[in-house]
Amino acid sequence: GAGVSQSPRYKVAKRGQDVALRCDPISGHVSLFWYQQALGQGPEFLTYFQNEAQLDKSGLPSDRFFAERPEGSVSTLKIQRTQQEDSAVYLCASSLSNPTMNTEAFFGQGTRLTVV
Amino acid sequence: QQQVKQSPQSLIVQKGGISIINCAYENTAFDYFPWYQQFPGKGPALLIAIRPDVSEKKEGRFTISFNKSAKQFSLHIMDSQSGDSATYFCAARIFGNEKLTFGTGTRLTIIP
Repeated sequence: GAGVSQSPRYKVAKRGQDVALRCDPISGHVSLFWYQQALGQGPEFLTYFQNEAQLDKSGLPSDRFFAERPEGSVSTLKIQRTQQEDSAVYLCASSLSNPTMNTEAFFGQGTRLTVV
Repeated sequence: QQQVKQSPQSLIVQKGGISIINCAYENTAFDYFPWYQQFPGKGPALLIAIRPDVSEKKEGRFTISFNKSAKQFSLHIMDSQSGDSATYFCAARIFGNEKLTFGTGTRLTIIP
């Protein structure tokens, strides 16, 4: 596809359940980001990959959150033992990665996670 | 610490009017300031962006005004249309770092 694809679009998890969210970036995009968007708020940075290397994970809220991009393309955000405060939209974005030229980040539609 | 403050939280503008959204930042290392538009159920999409070496950038009906000394920037939407009804986010980025810091968003509603 032409854009960033995320799946599933919606996920309902029982408290304590583990979840895995998938992101397919735009083909050829080197950089990949995960953001968390709480209801009525702006996206907040979680983590950043350049190819398969996770260069920044400073935004991950706890050690229950884990992200990987093993082959430098598809990425998975995993949340273990989900809590109600994890309920949010999880956005993935990708870019060509030339920050000195301010390359645009393209966002997917997000995965809405609801923890009950 | 909220590094990018955005106001107002919501805005109602009559069709054909001017919509103005304001943002202020604290970190003087920020040097790239994009605005994103988000429709319900969609991800944010880049609308327009500015570097601090210019005070204004215009693209069609959308203009960013930038005041470096005041550490403020604003989005102006001229001749607002119903299709402009969406949530708008300002953001900021440090040179050489691709991480975006977003404002809290403004829900814009254009009424007839």
